[in-house]
Amino acid sequence: DAGVTQSPTHLIKTRGQHVTLRCSPISGHKSVSWYQQVLGQGPQFIFQYYEKEERGRGNFPDRFSARQFPNYSSELNVNALLLGDSALYLCASSLQGAETQYFGPGTRLLVL
Amino acid sequence: DAKTTQPPSMDCAEGRAANLPCNHSTISGNEYVYWYRQIHSQGPQYIIHGLKNNETNEMASLIITEDRKSSTLILPHATLRDTAVYYCIVRAPTGANSKLTFGKGITLSVRP
Repeated sequence: DAGVTQSPTHLIKTRGQHVTLRCSPISGHKSVSWYQQVLGQGPQFIFQYYEKEERGRGNFPDRFSARQFPNYSSELNVNALLLGDSALYLCASSLQGAETQYFGPGTRLLVL
Repeated sequence: DAKTTQPPSMDCAEGRAANLPCNHSTISGNEYVYWYRQIHSQGPQYIIHGLKNNETNEMASLIITEDRKSSTLILPHATLRDTAVYYCIVRAPTGANSKLTFGKGITLSVRP
């Protein structure tokens, strides 16, 4: 079975632009979580979704938003990009949210 | 903030057992201990988790002390491919706190 997939793998944007990152969970998993990992740090929690509803939100500004679709895939949107948004964005899926989370390969975003 | 403390780094010889320590002195009774690892710039990989009893799977063994204030991840026969950052995470099983809170992890270097 396929694991968690994310697209694109790499992305370069300029300050002020908008970006959309996509995630497809493991088949049968209904919950998706998003994490941001800046260089040298561990991943930081951004959002968790289950059955299209937001279950949790980390300490990130309103420029960050997400949604989950009926097929349980998810998008992470970031508006008004800042240089500090450069990071590896990770998506993780789990059955319903509280179980083991399995991570995708990530999308590496560079903001110039 | 992460509820675990890990040494920043350790190394071991290829073929020998790698014992990775983790302190979680403030763990609550219903919180699990999870271990993930991250090989350079890839998504974190789930290794193992446990509540009270020792656990073993095809990748590793997890030894949790009786008072649950610390644990050790054991890779029985380390290989060069086990070189990675290993994260020990304390996680509640349900609710808004089911997110993963990563610290800086421990960098394991396996030498030939």
